[in-house]
Amino acid sequence: EAGVAQSPRYKIIEKRQSVAFWCNPISGHATLYWYQQILGQGPKLLIQFQNNGVVDDSQLPKDRFSAERLKGVDSTLKIQPAKLEDSAVYLCASSLEGLAGRETQYFGPGTRLLVL
Amino acid sequence: AQSVTQLGSHVSVSEGALVLLRCNYSSSVPPYLFWYVQYPNQGLQLLLKYTTGATLVKGINGFEAEFKKSETSFHLTKPSAHMSDAAEYFCAVRENQAGTALIFGKGTTLSVSS
Repeated sequence: EAGVAQSPRYKIIEKRQSVAFWCNPISGHATLYWYQQILGQGPKLLIQFQNNGVVDDSQLPKDRFSAERLKGVDSTLKIQPAKLEDSAVYLCASSLEGLAGRETQYFGPGTRLLVL
Repeated sequence: AQSVTQLGSHVSVSEGALVLLRCNYSSSVPPYLFWYVQYPNQGLQLLLKYTTGATLVKGINGFEAEFKKSETSFHLTKPSAHMSDAAEYFCAVRENQAGTALIFGKGTTLSVSS
């Protein structure tokens, strides 16, 4: 079974530029998550999708971050404009989720973003 | 609000020694509890989880954890460390209801020396 795919793996941009990350979840997984992992910290949830609807985006800085999951499969996360503090690893995860909370989340390898 | 505290940002053990990584949580109701491992430049991999039932949970690679409600703890152990166990370990908690977020601790880096 193929795992969660993410691209690109690394990205370096200058502040105020825009950037987009792509995620392809495990086939059949209804729920998709984007996390931000700043160096030295645990991942923090940015947004959770159930199929193509948003379940939780309370931690997403909506003035600069946006995410979509068209057709309930792939997802993109965009930052525009980027700030220095956005330097982090962006992790995508997916689960079979019936929203019960006990299902395992499977993580992709992440995209490492450096904002200069 | 839920939170997770991992005591010790860095733990060092010798190969063959006991591994003990500590995790305490705060939650108004018994939550679901998880341990993930992260190797350099890789995503997180589930080691084990507690949802219901037996409080001693066995996971992959010889790891296990025990849910102790009275102590609000979910410590991770392994009887004998191996060099390949060197990685970062994250404890996470999630409320047992629909649509809640997975809350991670700050992580503990495990070093194993020969």
